[in-house]
Amino acid sequence: DIVMTQSPDSLAVSLGERATINCKSSQSVLYSSNNNNYLAWYQHKPGQPPKLLIYWASTRESGVPDRFSGSGSGTDFTLTISSLQAEDVALYYCQQYYRTPLTFGGGTKVEIK
Amino acid sequence: QLQLQESGPGLVKPSETLSLTCTVSGGSISGHYWTWIRLPAGKGLEWIGYFYSIDTYKYNPSFKSRVAMSVDTSRNQFSLTLSSVTAADTAVYYCARGDNGYGIWGQGRLVTVSS
Repeated sequence: DIVMTQSPDSLAVSLGERATINCKSSQSVLYSSNNNNYLAWYQHKPGQPPKLLIYWASTRESGVPDRFSGSGSGTDFTLTISSLQAEDVALYYCQQYYRTPLTFGGGTKVEIK
Repeated sequence: QLQLQESGPGLVKPSETLSLTCTVSGGSISGHYWTWIRLPAGKGLEWIGYFYSIDTYKYNPSFKSRVAMSVDTSRNQFSLTLSSVTAADTAVYYCARGDNGYGIWGQGRLVTVSS
């Protein structure tokens, strides 16, 4: 299985400041034939299903605010919230869809400082 | 607008079989990766498996031979069965549609395994 490791487990950021979440995969999730990284990011709030934010490592899902951005390639990826808003308090997960079983990172809890 | 809704018992006894159904409305169940994912309390998301077509299924090997999925295209539904459940199978179970990541999810169904 491809193991997804997120860091940190939690972080507290002041409103309007930048939040950065890292995700590392145990194997590359870059498919060389199409140069796509099979990596997605989700936001998860209590009582709701997870919400897809980013796919192909850096493509923002329709309707997702542009303060959310994804970067990285191969095995190392980052989700950045450029200016944290109160509604961004949530758990964030990365997920690889390169190979089954599809696997998620352990999650990063984002809070307001 | 495509919507997914899980249904099924919220309480299952240990050693019995968990059965859930996902009803797809607002679109066809053909194509895409129709998936079950769960979230055990205090833990992270766990991919259970998907089907892509009537004869293409993939399951998470961590469930060994306990898991099975089926589809009823006439009702636009797909189902999950998980046998020989234990307390460790207590979780919120989600159905979701996969394309590039999972952009559409059901609201989730809490299933508790307890006698």
